Amino acid sequence: KQEVTQIPAALSVPEGENLVLNCSFTDSAIYNLQWFRQDPGKGLTSLLLIQSSQREQTSGRLNASLDKSSGRSTLYIAASQPGDSATYLCAVRPGNTGGFKTIFGAGTRLFVKA
Amino acid sequence: ETGVTQTPRHLVMGMTNKKSLKCEQHLGHNAMYWYKQSAKKPLELMFVYNFKEQTENNSVPSRFSPECPNSSHLFLHLHTLQPEDSALYLCASSQGTSNYGYTFGSGTRLTVV
Repeated sequence: KQEVTQIPAALSVPEGENLVLNCSFTDSAIYNLQWFRQDPGKGLTSLLLIQSSQREQTSGRLNASLDKSSGRSTLYIAASQPGDSATYLCAVRPGNTGGFKTIFGAGTRLFVKA
Repeated sequence: ETGVTQTPRHLVMGMTNKKSLKCEQHLGHNAMYWYKQSAKKPLELMFVYNFKEQTENNSVPSRFSPECPNSSHLFLHLHTLQPEDSALYLCASSQGTSNYGYTFGSGTRLTVV
């Protein structure tokens, strides 16, 4: 059974710092992994989607990597800003369930101090 | 309007009420999903529809009844809910399964009193 874990659960950093959020999954048979951002009480905004054949994806100050063999993904945020404060979720699309049962981690709550 | 739209944004209902949540996607996607997000819990998949057909019911109580009249619209009919059903209900869509990512709506914050 696929399980997704995100560490740390919460993180507080000063503005301008580079940071890394971690996501691990137990079954390497995946279609893709997607990182989302969620502001309090709001829906999820997709940040980056990494297909199983890819190693990384980049968008602006964000870089996500994927290492299927070790069951890990990282989200790197460069030069963090107070506006980056949110909960970051990773979601894994298992490759052995027809692709319907995407599994979400519990999220990392990020606070960037001005 | 683009993306995934959910209405209402907020809903307060009594345990004997009947209400419906609506989701509409303007992305041409084939698959639509209902998720439940309770406080301090990971997102829980409730239902999946692919080309209007229900492909997944994740052991959801019958007081939640989904309806998908076409690939663009998804409803969640609610009746005789319990206070523990209070949560953020999120709708999502994707082009298909496997290689495609999800697009989420803003959610409906449901409070059962």
